[in-house]
Amino acid sequence: DGGITQSPKYLFRKEGQNVTLSCEQNLNHDAMYWYRQDPGQGLRLIYYSQIVNDFQKGDIAEGYSVSREKKESFPLTVTSAQKNPTAFYLCASTRLTGPGDYGYTFGSGTRLTVV
Amino acid sequence: AQSVAQPEDQVNVAEGNPLTVKCTYSVSGNPYLFWYVQYPNRGLQFLLKYITGDNLVKGSYGFEAEFNKSQTSFHLKKPSALVSDSALYFCAVRALNSGNTPLVFGKGTRLSVIA
Repeated sequence: DGGITQSPKYLFRKEGQNVTLSCEQNLNHDAMYWYRQDPGQGLRLIYYSQIVNDFQKGDIAEGYSVSREKKESFPLTVTSAQKNPTAFYLCASTRLTGPGDYGYTFGSGTRLTVV
Repeated sequence: AQSVAQPEDQVNVAEGNPLTVKCTYSVSGNPYLFWYVQYPNRGLQFLLKYITGDNLVKGSYGFEAEFNKSQTSFHLKKPSALVSDSALYFCAVRALNSGNTPLVFGKGTRLSVIA
């Protein structure tokens, strides 16, 4: 079945440590997105990519980095510069061309906790 | 700029009663509107979308939404609520001809259906 897979489901980070969240899709989607979800704040866009080897900052990119070396993969690194990383992180993807709707398909999320 | 407002953080409804979850939006030009649902510790699932055409859009699980251009609203409705409808609901928007800019999400409305 086609879909979008995020791993791990739960992740614990120590102070000063970088961690990488994985997002892989086999839907042949062009664009991929990372959102952060905090209680009462909805979804806030961190980074997005519409083509391989190119990405754009979203509203809250500080303290995060991404890469898009393959169409299928869009990993997110939470760096030590991100002072409050505890949150639920969601990855999404969509087509940008062709017929049909351009709604997003979401992964199941990664819950990151600082310990 | 694009924006979405979900004025109610929480909506409570008795099982079997009709439910409404409100959404208003702001875009330049015509909107591309979505509703998504999120169950605990899961990603968002697509419910329905509006692009053009009939103002009443039917979606998954018996949900529907009414597009009102003059009031810039896209309220989610269901004639008879189920306990299993209890979840977090997100409205999202982008301008139809915005060159693939990312969707903007509301802060979410928690629906609680009481047996």
